[in-house]
Amino acid sequence: EDQVTQSPEALRLQEGESSSLNCSYTVSGLRGLFWYRQDPGKGPEFLFTLYSAGEEKEKERLKATLTKKESFLHITAPKPEDSATYLCAVQENTGNQFYFGTGTSLTVIP
Amino acid sequence: GAGVSQSPRYKVTKRGQDVTLRCDPISSHATLYWYQQALGQGPEFLTYFNYEAQPDKSGLPSDRFSAERPEGSISTLTIQRTEQRDSAMYRCASSSGYYNEQFFGPGTRLTVL
Repeated sequence: EDQVTQSPEALRLQEGESSSLNCSYTVSGLRGLFWYRQDPGKGPEFLFTLYSAGEEKEKERLKATLTKKESFLHITAPKPEDSATYLCAVQENTGNQFYFGTGTSLTVIP
Repeated sequence: GAGVSQSPRYKVTKRGQDVTLRCDPISSHATLYWYQQALGQGPEFLTYFNYEAQPDKSGLPSDRFSAERPEGSISTLTIQRTEQRDSAMYRCASSSGYYNEQFFGPGTRLTVL
């Protein structure tokens, strides 16, 4: 059973068209939920960590929120340079493994 | 160092050969992770180190895979008797602690012919 599921798999947006990416998780106890951005040919780049339901974090056009079962990455007025794959990962409080989702590939069209 | 580095960036080997991949983490980071990432997938956990200790190697696919971090800094991942299914991107990440974000290296693309 997958611990982390991301949707949609791919998303195409017009520049300025806001949207949200979803990450749902099924771990028994959450230590932390992490969002990363990955550009083609590069390693994932850290964006946010969320630790408890109700927590929100923002960075430029990105805002991450967390509930007990899922996290959303909201993108407000995206620009073409926001095009990338966005990965979600969870860490359980019983160990130190990180479980990654398969990512959402975002394309922002000028 | 300024970031996580990995070498080689690309490795092509023949089936049955042994390969060793190297990771040089951020110098102050205690924790080091190894991942395998297939194309279009997220990284999949292999093992991790806390300094030189290796508390969890449950993600290693078989006993052909092993990892070391003898002095608590540089780490190597060795794959013995490589098979075609071992072809993937291998990524290393380091972190300053269990609860903190990971910083990833550029990866080693392994191709087994």
